[in-house]
Amino acid sequence: DAGITQSPRHKVTETGTPVTLRCHQTENHRYMYWYRQDPGHGLRLIHYSYGVKDTDKGEVSDGYSVSRSKTEDFLLTLESATSSQTSVYFCATGDPAGEQYFGPGTRLTVT
Amino acid sequence: QQQVKQSPQSLIVQKGGIPIINCAYENTAFDYFPWYQQFPGKGPALLIAIRPDVSEKKEGRFTISFNKSAKQFSLHIMDSQPGDSATYFCAASYTGTALIFGKGTTLSVSS
Repeated sequence: DAGITQSPRHKVTETGTPVTLRCHQTENHRYMYWYRQDPGHGLRLIHYSYGVKDTDKGEVSDGYSVSRSKTEDFLLTLESATSSQTSVYFCATGDPAGEQYFGPGTRLTVT
Repeated sequence: QQQVKQSPQSLIVQKGGIPIINCAYENTAFDYFPWYQQFPGKGPALLIAIRPDVSEKKEGRFTISFNKSAKQFSLHIMDSQPGDSATYFCAASYTGTALIFGKGTTLSVSS
């Protein structure tokens, strides 16, 4: 995961505020993904991107939006944060054959 | 049909034992089955993966067994060590799609 960084690594925010998480890769992978990890639920896909400006929804996309303006960056925005969005967020990159590599994660707390 | 069911939820073994973690899937279109290892506070790391054209794959002390007819696959850890204590996730996907994860197994190896 040395080629994938996430920022910030920790964030505390208040209900109703917008929040943007950033994922940056140096692997030149075409695919990028955002997951959330919660106890008892494993890793659930929020959104993914299959190229610059090409994105699609995952299993738990409500309340989230994404943007990808260049290959190396994938942004996740919580439009109006809620307490149910308190979670650990992981970015991953991958190739079309399926291999995915994860970043170190961002721990988000919404109070 | 998109689910991947993982068991057990937790597992405790003695050092040197062989923990076995099982996963089952329904979608016969899946063609890629990886296992990830995650330590506390870290992102999941790709451990080993298999495709349905083989029934077994071994990398070091880690072995995947794959049963296509039963739609099941499992992870075996030979000569387990305390350093193997982690959470393990199975996953599945088919070409061009995101991974679908099991809910994870927490393994504890006692010395």
